[in-house]
Amino acid sequence: NAGVTQTPKFQVLKTGQSMTLQCAQDMNHNSMYWYRQDPGMGLRLIYYSASEGTTDKGEVPNGYNVSRLNKREFSLRLESAAPSQTSVYFCASSESRDEQYFGPGTRLTVT
Amino acid sequence: EDQVTQSPEALRLQEGESSSLNCSYTVSGLRGLFWYRQDPGKGPEFLFTLYSAGEEKEKERLKATLTKKESFLHITAPKPEDSATYLCAVREGNNRLAFGKGNQVVVIP
Repeated sequence: NAGVTQTPKFQVLKTGQSMTLQCAQDMNHNSMYWYRQDPGMGLRLIYYSASEGTTDKGEVPNGYNVSRLNKREFSLRLESAAPSQTSVYFCASSESRDEQYFGPGTRLTVT
Repeated sequence: EDQVTQSPEALRLQEGESSSLNCSYTVSGLRGLFWYRQDPGKGPEFLFTLYSAGEEKEKERLKATLTKKESFLHITAPKPEDSATYLCAVREGNNRLAFGKGNQVVVIP
């Protein structure tokens, strides 16, 4: 039982490049989330998916897109990376109104 | 305006020196308050959920309490392995969580 897994662990992009961050959970949770964590800012919600087939914007969605591929997988795409998107990205999952379980994170640097 | 404010931002403790971390919140109609522990370079790890004023939960040297306006995380006789950043979050509508900026705790042997 791996919980929440994220790939890649580290990534360096040049401004304007695109990439997709992958997230998978094996806990059969309905809800999944993408956060970013920046020094002094705390965790901020980018997008979430309350259930398979639905996605909604969070606090900081600009510059990102998401896909809920199936119940297990939720991906985050940066179409044209910008230095302001340098951050640590966390995926999480939960069973509806219960606590959220987090993955190990992806450390992204955009130069 | 921040919905969740944590204090102090950073705390250095001697091993065995008990202390408390504060999380104050402004959201109305609390639907759940969550405490997480985060070690450097890792994702947050769930500790506790509290739902109503007066509720308390314990795990090893940690005890979380809740009032109508704030929550405390008490660390009793801390050990160096309790060094971490502790995050507080409140549930908003639609299962979304609003996080505070964290309490960074360092326990010195």
